[in-house]
Amino acid sequence: GIQVEQSPPDLILQEGANSTLRCNFSDSVNNLQWFHQNPWGQLINLFYIPSGTKQNGRLSATTVATERYSLLYISSSQTTDSGVYFCAVGSNAGGTSYGKLTFGQGTILTVHP
Amino acid sequence: DGGITQSPKYLFRKEGQNVTLSCEQNLNHDAMYWYRQDPGQGLRLIYYSQIVNDFQKGDIAEGYSVSREKKESFPLTVTSAQKNPTAFYLCASSKRFLQSSYNEQFFGPGTRLTVL
Repeated sequence: GIQVEQSPPDLILQEGANSTLRCNFSDSVNNLQWFHQNPWGQLINLFYIPSGTKQNGRLSATTVATERYSLLYISSSQTTDSGVYFCAVGSNAGGTSYGKLTFGQGTILTVHP
Repeated sequence: DGGITQSPKYLFRKEGQNVTLSCEQNLNHDAMYWYRQDPGQGLRLIYYSQIVNDFQKGDIAEGYSVSREKKESFPLTVTSAQKNPTAFYLCASSKRFLQSSYNEQFFGPGTRLTVL
């Protein structure tokens, strides 16, 4: 099956710093989502971005599908940005559309005041 | 408000007991999914359903069962055959299933199951 690797595994920042999280995947995808998991476990949708670039406030994401990677940018980080960030992909491998998401292991982000 | 609800939030089970986790959505989504998350890990797919009265096994279906009698509901039963059931269980839904364009999944708040 498709492999998803996220880097870095851990990231510690001071409030106000910028950061870039990376997601590499091993096959072509028809779905790519970025999530933020808060301390209570809730997965919050950040971006649905199988290709292209999107921005939402201080967050933006870019997926280069042909090179099989996606980047999540966080600018002017705040303590409330702390948590785990997951990249998840859906693949069309095998010739049939398939709704399954394969998750990476996540990046644990800690933002200190 | 539209969304996905899961109950209970916390569940404690004795070994040998079956338990059922509830998942309800009012988003009019066709597809629903169950994932399991272990500490420090990403999510893994247990079961999924494209339409009412139809469901398929995911990657880790052993020891679990599901039903899809209504579009809004997709309960998960953790049976006594599941060897390591202590985990965080998340339900998700998406508008369409067999579409390559727009298949964004949305997640419920989860149920934490602990086996005593």
